[in-house]
Amino acid sequence: GDSVTQMEGPVTLSEEAFLTINCTYTATGYPSLFWYVQYPGEGLQLLLKATKADDKGSNKGFEATYRKETTSFHLEKGSVQVSDSAVYFCALSDQKGDTGRRALTFGSGTRLQVQP
Amino acid sequence: DTGVSQNPRHKITKRGQNVTFRCDPISEHNRLYWYRQTLGQGPEFLTYFQNEAQLEKSRLLSDRFSAERPKGSFSTLEIQRTEQGDSAMYLCASSLSRGLTYEQYFGPGTRLTVT
Repeated sequence: GDSVTQMEGPVTLSEEAFLTINCTYTATGYPSLFWYVQYPGEGLQLLLKATKADDKGSNKGFEATYRKETTSFHLEKGSVQVSDSAVYFCALSDQKGDTGRRALTFGSGTRLQVQP
Repeated sequence: DTGVSQNPRHKITKRGQNVTFRCDPISEHNRLYWYRQTLGQGPEFLTYFQNEAQLEKSRLLSDRFSAERPKGSFSTLEIQRTEQGDSAMYLCASSLSRGLTYEQYFGPGTRLTVT
């Protein structure tokens, strides 16, 4: 079945450091890929997405490129801020049969802590 | 507010009691999903509706769980005879069933604690 593997956290960085959170996936079809973010005390928010190979999703300075050959979708940011401290989830959405349910399969999340 | 809303936000119940949660999706969204998230894990799919039809249920959804979406708008998730293992955050999400990405928008969740 489908699965998503993320690097374990917590990831602790100083402000303005470069961020990479690794994500690899296994899917039977041709999935869409997502990064969601969960800030303390808040719900999941869609951060960025990519629907086909070599697509780059970007938002708020974060980027991730859909790499079909390596089945990866690593999240990067050039200069993190304290306000980026949150839990980041990689997810995929794969069409299943005729119903096309597109339910999301999530990784276990990576907690990012940014220190001033 | 046009986002996904869930009620209650927190529920504490004793083992063996029944609980019901409500989700109100974004008004024009015809798909509604339920997920469960335990501490330190990502959300896991439970079930989804397109309009009022429940199209799929995960193996995680035991017989004690039932979900409805009677008029294709709000949805309820009921857990009968709760067990301590049911303690989790229950998340609702909604989306449109068209377009390439089927982006899902999540509510704040209902945190269930079974004592």
